[in-house]
Amino acid sequence: EAGVAQSPRYKIIEKRQSVAFWCNPISGHATLYWYQQILGQGPKLLIQFQNNGVVDDSQLPKDRFSAERLKGVDSTLKIQPAKLEDSAVYLCASSLVMGVRRTEAFFGQGTRLTVV
Amino acid sequence: KQEVTQIPAALSVPEGENLVLNCSFTDSAIYNLQWFRQDPGKGLTSLLLIQSSQREQTSGRLNASLDKSSGRSTLYIAASQPGDSATYLCAVRDNYGQNFVFGPGTRLSVLP
Repeated sequence: EAGVAQSPRYKIIEKRQSVAFWCNPISGHATLYWYQQILGQGPKLLIQFQNNGVVDDSQLPKDRFSAERLKGVDSTLKIQPAKLEDSAVYLCASSLVMGVRRTEAFFGQGTRLTVV
Repeated sequence: KQEVTQIPAALSVPEGENLVLNCSFTDSAIYNLQWFRQDPGKGLTSLLLIQSSQREQTSGRLNASLDKSSGRSTLYIAASQPGDSATYLCAVRDNYGQNFVFGPGTRLSVLP
């Protein structure tokens, strides 16, 4: 079974530029998450989708961050314009919906973003 | 709002020791709890998943317990090896929003 795929693995941009990350979840996983992990901290949820609908985006800085999940499969996360404090690892995860016995979250390798 | 803490923040032990990592959460209305391992520069690897109705789960040298009423989980690693060196994160999934809330992690170093 293929895991969660993310690209790119690394990205370096200047502040005020824009950047986009891509995620392909495990086949059949209706729930998709984007997390931001700052060095030395645990991941923090940015946005959660179920199919192509947003379940929780309360911690997404909507003035600069946007995300979409067209057709309920792949997802993209965009930052525009980037700030220095956006430097972090962006992790995508997927899981089956609640109500299914084993709803483990599976994570991709992440995208390390450096804003200079 | 759910908050998750992990103690200790860092741990260094000689090879072969048994060790315990602790995770605490403030809201006991959880759906499940998951322990992850993260190697430097890598994503998260799932180690163990405990449903809210379960008390413990075992996989090889790893054993995770859950005491939902007291808001605690422990990860026990038996006969530690240098290859166990990594950051260990616990995450709880609540009954309300399906979100996973993570602790800050415990950074483990096992010395040969």
